Amino acid sequence: QVQLQQSGPGLVKPSETLSLTCSVSGAAIRTSSFYWGWVRQSPGKGLEWIGSVSHSGTTYYDPSLKSRVTISVDTSNNHFSLRLTSVAAADTAIYFCSRSPSYPYQYIDVWGQGTAVTVSS
Amino acid sequence: EIVMTQSPATLSVSPGERATLSCRASQSVGSKLAWYQQRPGQVPRLLIFGASARATGIPARFSGSGSGTEFTLTISSLQSEDFAVYYCQQYHSWPPITFGQGTRLEIK
Repeated sequence: QVQLQQSGPGLVKPSETLSLTCSVSGAAIRTSSFYWGWVRQSPGKGLEWIGSVSHSGTTYYDPSLKSRVTISVDTSNNHFSLRLTSVAAADTAIYFCSRSPSYPYQYIDVWGQGTAVTVSS
Repeated sequence: EIVMTQSPATLSVSPGERATLSCRASQSVGSKLAWYQQRPGQVPRLLIFGASARATGIPARFSGSGSGTEFTLTISSLQSEDFAVYYCQQYHSWPPITFGQGTRLEIK
């Protein structure tokens, strides 16, 4: 059974970079056909897809965030990461890492526990 | 970008009754439509994928239907644990993957 465990800071200063990691257990990123991604949820709001990455490093991003987002995989350590640069208050949200079965079936069948990130000085 | 619109925003239903939630896509998504449940303070949970296939472990009282631009999630005989927020999501044309704004199912 695949499990996703998130780690990273809960407080980031404006204009700085948000960095989160999602460790995968129960599956090897290196050999799987799954896609690994990130979704966020602003306080009291709905779900917003950020992007996803394949085991080979192919990435897809939401166009509105593309200039600031990098999602990468580390197959050696079996984890994947999110970097969001130049954060502002509007980036305050709960960030979830996620797994989708395969390309192009990008529904999310496994979720991380969520990390609440606040952007504030 | 495909815009997903859910209705109603809030639905009040009594326990034991049936709930019908709607999701409309701004253009056809075929059957590439998923539904999620999110209880307060919890992580979203996949209920339905492919418009009508139940995810592993999802009770049979949850059913999905529709194709193209109109979709429905039906919950027959509501249980107390079913009162939550429900989201639809399309994965037909991406990026970006897009979600509806959610329907809050509350106890009447």
